[in-house]
Amino acid sequence: DAGVTQSPTHLIKTRGQQVTLRCSPKSGHDTVSWYQQALGQGPQFIFQYYEEEERQRGNFPDRFSGHQFPNYSSELNVNALLLGDSALYLCASSLASGARTQYFGPGTRLLVL
Amino acid sequence: ELKVEQNPLFLSMQEGKNYTIYCNYSTTSDRLYWYRQDPGKSLESLFVLLSNGAVKQEGRLMASLDTKARLSTLHITAAVHDLSATYFCAVEYNFNKFYFGSGTKLNVKP
Repeated sequence: DAGVTQSPTHLIKTRGQQVTLRCSPKSGHDTVSWYQQALGQGPQFIFQYYEEEERQRGNFPDRFSGHQFPNYSSELNVNALLLGDSALYLCASSLASGARTQYFGPGTRLLVL
Repeated sequence: ELKVEQNPLFLSMQEGKNYTIYCNYSTTSDRLYWYRQDPGKSLESLFVLLSNGAVKQEGRLMASLDTKARLSTLHITAAVHDLSATYFCAVEYNFNKFYFGSGTKLNVKP
């Protein structure tokens, strides 16, 4: 049973560029959440998608947007990249009901130069 | 905005000793989670605590939740080197909005 997968694993961009990160949830999961984790910090909640809609959002600007597809996979888009966007981006999948335990993917490490 | 505070932030302990990590949060929450993160790796779910007084145990780790005190603890019994990692608590607020603590970096020395 495949767990949560993310692509790419690493990415280098320059300021002002745009980036798209991808996530495939654990089999059977219908909910995808995205997090930003700066070095030495705890993950910060960006947003959560369920039934192809953004259900919750953390304190992130509109430059951060997302999408969920009918097969439950998801994308995170970041526009107009800033140096401060350099971080590990984690995707987590869960079921909408029950304990809602989140299973995290390996992450995409983004470096903005 | 909900605040989640963990302490200590760093913990160095000898094998065989017991210790407790504390997680305080500022607002009534829906549920509380504990995760483990090894260096350079992603997060692994340890416990989900759903209600006041909940206690969960797995091996040498035991987590508890006191919603009235807005406090969760992660107790380590007879630590072993394999438990060395960073431990995070996370609080779910307003249904499906998650706030993480800064993490407790645990180093268990042989």
